Amino acid sequence: DVKVTQSSRYLVKRTGEKVFLECVQDMDHENMFWYRQDPGLGLRLIYFSYDVKMKEKGDIPEGYSVSREKKERFSLILESASTNQTSMYLCASSMSSGNEQFFGPGTRLTVL
Amino acid sequence: DAKTTQPTSMDCAEGRAANLPCNHSTISGNEYVYWYRQIHSQGPQYIIHGLKNNETNEMASLIITEDRKSSTLILPHATLRDTAVYYCIVREGNNAGNMLTFGGGTRLMVKP
Repeated sequence: DVKVTQSSRYLVKRTGEKVFLECVQDMDHENMFWYRQDPGLGLRLIYFSYDVKMKEKGDIPEGYSVSREKKERFSLILESASTNQTSMYLCASSMSSGNEQFFGPGTRLTVL
Repeated sequence: DAKTTQPTSMDCAEGRAANLPCNHSTISGNEYVYWYRQIHSQGPQYIIHGLKNNETNEMASLIITEDRKSSTLILPHATLRDTAVYYCIVREGNNAGNMLTFGGGTRLMVKP
């Protein structure tokens, strides 16, 4: 089975802190994605990557950056966390020619 | 992605078929219909997808109308574990490299 793991299930940070969310997949997938999920807004794409060191902005990249130094790992960085970044963050991966995205369990981030 | 419309919630008795409708009247010719579900506190899970023909796999069946303006996801024998939010998505291409945009989905409650 494909496994996508995220470094934390729950995280509490203070405004202004730098936050790292890590995602690792074990199926050699080319594509990796970071989404955030908020009530009433559905799932929104923050960034995605289709290869090592490659990244593309999604719908809402402001306030975020990403890093993909290795194929299996895709990191989401909040340079200076703000309260409006309190959300559920979901990582996903897929093959470049595949039909489905595999999601991790999510990280619920609270910024105080 | 084209917009979809789904009922906010539905109930289904355990063991019975659950039929989840989705309207996608503005779907274009190269857009596929995808279904994902999200069980509470977990990441989304791929169920099935199709272009114009009906599809079936071990999880569900997908019935797409001839004009492709609507579809129905069928869980033939719903179990309590099928309680989840079900998302209908339309997007271009048969490639999971394309991002997903989830709307509100249908909250399916399977009752004993």
